[in-house]
Amino acid sequence: DGGITQSPKYLFRKEGQNVTLSCEQNLNHDAMYWYRQDPGQGLRLIYYSQIVNDFQKGDIAEGYSVSREKKESFPLTVTSAQKNPTAFYLCASSPSHPSGSYEQYFGPGTRLTVT
Amino acid sequence: KNEVEQSPQNLTAQEGEFITINCSYSVGISALHWLQQHPGGGIVSLFMLSSGKKKHGRLIATINIQEKHSSLHITASHPRDSAVYICAAARIQGAQKLVFGQGTRLTINP
Repeated sequence: DGGITQSPKYLFRKEGQNVTLSCEQNLNHDAMYWYRQDPGQGLRLIYYSQIVNDFQKGDIAEGYSVSREKKESFPLTVTSAQKNPTAFYLCASSPSHPSGSYEQYFGPGTRLTVT
Repeated sequence: KNEVEQSPQNLTAQEGEFITINCSYSVGISALHWLQQHPGGGIVSLFMLSSGKKKHGRLIATINIQEKHSSLHITASHPRDSAVYICAAARIQGAQKLVFGQGTRLTINP
């Protein structure tokens, strides 16, 4: 089945530790995205990538890093510099066209708790 | 003021009722997305529209570009429709970057 997988579903870390969230897609999509969701707030874009080996900062990139070495994979690292890392993290992918808007497909999410 | 505003924030209704969720936006858009988020957190894309109206089963989405307003309607609502419904605007420039509303939490009671 085609889709997006994120693992793990729940992740617990101690403050000061870096943690990497996994996102894999087999939809052959060029574009991939990372969003953060906090209670009572809309999704906010952390990073996005429109093609392999290229990515751009979103609205709240500080304290996060990404890589896009393969089309299928877009891991997100939450660094110790992120002030409030506890949140629900969603990965998404879509076909990519410079002048168009395409439907985004979302993964199941990872709930990160940092104590 | 948020670029994308939804109303109401919470909505509770009885099974069978006709449901309307509204979305207003202030940016120029190339498309408007409606998403559904279930209690487990997973998000499903329901509609992407840039004009007129789309229908899928009991769900109908409309958009008025001049008034910068979109609505999501659910006919013959059912408890399994209970979820958070999110609208998201794709800006004309940078259409890949969606701007999200805060979501509408819908609860349908049997």
